[in-house]
Formats: sequence, structure tokens, C-alpha cells
Amino acid sequence: DIQMTQSPSSLSASVGDRVTITCQASQDIDNYLNWYQHKPGKTPKLLIYDASNLETGVPSRFSGSGSGTDFTFTISSLQPEDIATYFCQEYDDLPPFTFGQGTNLEIK
Amino acid sequence: EVQLVESGGGLVQPGGSLRLSCALSEFSFSSYAMTWVRRAPGKGLEWVSVISGSGLNTYYADSVKGRFTISRDNSKNTLYLQMDSLRADDTAVYYCATHRGGLANAIFDLWGQGSLVTVSS
Repeated sequence: DIQMTQSPSSLSASVGDRVTITCQASQDIDNYLNWYQHKPGKTPKLLIYDASNLETGVPSRFSGSGSGTDFTFTISSLQPEDIATYFCQEYDDLPPFTFGQGTNLEIK
Repeated sequence: EVQLVESGGGLVQPGGSLRLSCALSEFSFSSYAMTWVRRAPGKGLEWVSVISGSGLNTYYADSVKGRFTISRDNSKNTLYLQMDSLRADDTAVYYCATHRGGLANAIFDLWGQGSLVTVSS
């Protein structure tokens, strides 16, 4: 099975800051990598699919990049409503479809 | 608006059983593979199980294999998760989600509201 190593596990930043989260796969997964936002009491929300494609309706301050084993998720200018936990998820080949451990994002 | 509506969560004793349901408000239900994901208190998202649109192909996480059974009734636009031999570490909010197409296209783009399952004596 593929392992996903996400970092950092928690992050504190100020409104307007640029925020970066990384995910590393244990083997080459091409671009089969998605990013989700999960707020307390809400359903998870797809933000980025196939490593770099912005889901319809998601603000353009969110972006993703990478391929192979190393991936990056960026919020260009942090907003108060971005407080959440963020997860990467791979879907290379057959199940299981593994999530990263998550990054808990807080406002400083 | 297309949505997934879950039901069936609750409190159950260790060793007990529970069945979750997830209904899609759209006629093309059989076109989508469906997945269950859970999030335990203080933990991250964990993929649990997937079923193909036809229902012929299913996969499970090692943590639930042999105890959980995923199924679907395409005539009722409904997905199920039968959970047997429940343990305390199965306590979580369970979410159903649609795949953007087939089983291998595991982009989870529509999610249910979540069902809380608590396993405790």
C-alpha cells in the first residue's frame, strides 16, 4: 500500500500570510493526488484534484502543484474562513485510497 | 441541488452491529462508484470501503476487512455499510462520498453530512 506523509501536522499563520503544506508519497503516484478541507461539524470539501486542478467554485487563493512523489498545497493569502484541517489523498491504482495525516491550520 | 443524505448512526455496544445508509438525490446513481470515509475523534480522515457502480467490485481497508460489508441498491439510489463486530476504535463520524466516475477515479466530489457511530458499553 502507498503511504502518504503530510507536513506540518499543525500550522499557525496570520491573515494574509502565504501558507504551504506538503505531501510525500511512498512511491510514484503520477498526479493522482487530491486536497480536501475539513471544518469542524462540516463535511469534507474537495479543493484540488489531480494535483493542480482547482475544483469549481473554490477560491483562486488555493492552489496545488507537484507530480510523482512530492506535492505542495498553497493558500496565497490566508483568510479567517480558511481555518480547518487539510488532507491530501492519493488514488494511484487500486484501493486503498490513502489520506495524509492532516494539517490543522490556525490563525495566529 | 444534488445531495447525499445519510442515516443509521447511533450508540452501539462493543461486538454489536449497525447499518448506515446513504441516499443520492439523483437518477444516475449507478454511474458512480461510492466510498465510505470515517474520521475518529482527534484523528484524520480514513478511507474505509468502496463499491463500483454496478456493485460487483468492492474493496475494504484492512482495519475493517471481514467485519464491514458495503453494498448498494441502484433501484433505490442508496448505498449501505453493514458494520458487525464493532469495536471502540470504530467510533467515528462516517461519511459517504461519490467518485467522479468509476472506482479507479477516486476524486471524492460530493459528500454526505456524516453519521456519528459511537461504540461504547
